[in-house]
Amino acid sequence: IAGITQAPTSQILAAGRRMTLRCTQDMRHNAMYWYRQDLGLGLRLIHYSNTAGTTGKGEVPDGYSVSRANTDDFPLTLASAVPSQTSVYFCASSDGTATGELFFGEGSRLTVL
Amino acid sequence: GQNIDQPTEMTATEGAIVQINCTYQTSGFNGLFWYQQHAGEAPTFLSYNVLDGLEEKGRFSSFLSRSKGYSYLLLKELQMKDSASYLCAVRDRDYKLSFGAGTTVTVRA
Repeated sequence: IAGITQAPTSQILAAGRRMTLRCTQDMRHNAMYWYRQDLGLGLRLIHYSNTAGTTGKGEVPDGYSVSRANTDDFPLTLASAVPSQTSVYFCASSDGTATGELFFGEGSRLTVL
Repeated sequence: GQNIDQPTEMTATEGAIVQINCTYQTSGFNGLFWYQQHAGEAPTFLSYNVLDGLEEKGRFSSFLSRSKGYSYLLLKELQMKDSASYLCAVRDRDYKLSFGAGTTVTVRA
């Protein structure tokens, strides 16, 4: 089934540890995004990539990095996790056209202790 | 940047109509989207408006007024399965989507 796959689904992490959330899509979409969702704050954009080889900062990029080596993969890395990064992380992709909606992965629930 | 406001919660009866309002301020408008998100699940696309007016899609309709920075999502003939959060999102000229905090709709029998 075509779509977006995120891993892990859920993770508990000690503060200070490095963590990479994986995201893979098989729809050949040009644009990919990482959001975090927190109660009362909605979805906030962390980083995005409009095409392979390019990335950009969103609304809340501090403490996170991304890479886009190819069209399909868009990993999100927390270099040194802190408790405020406890959240649900959603990866999304879009074909980048005028009417292109976002397709979301199932989310990764991260708890930093 | 974008400022997007929508009510936090709404409650309605099965079979009724509910209208969820969304107001926004943006530095470069390039479309407005509505998404539905059931608890514990990923958001799914409902509607898209880029020109003023009403877009109808079955029981759901979405309206946009660009001059007023205003949109609404209309849910008709409410069903229990419509209990969910509804997210208003505005796209900018860089194709980045900013979301409101969401409106939780509870449908009661």
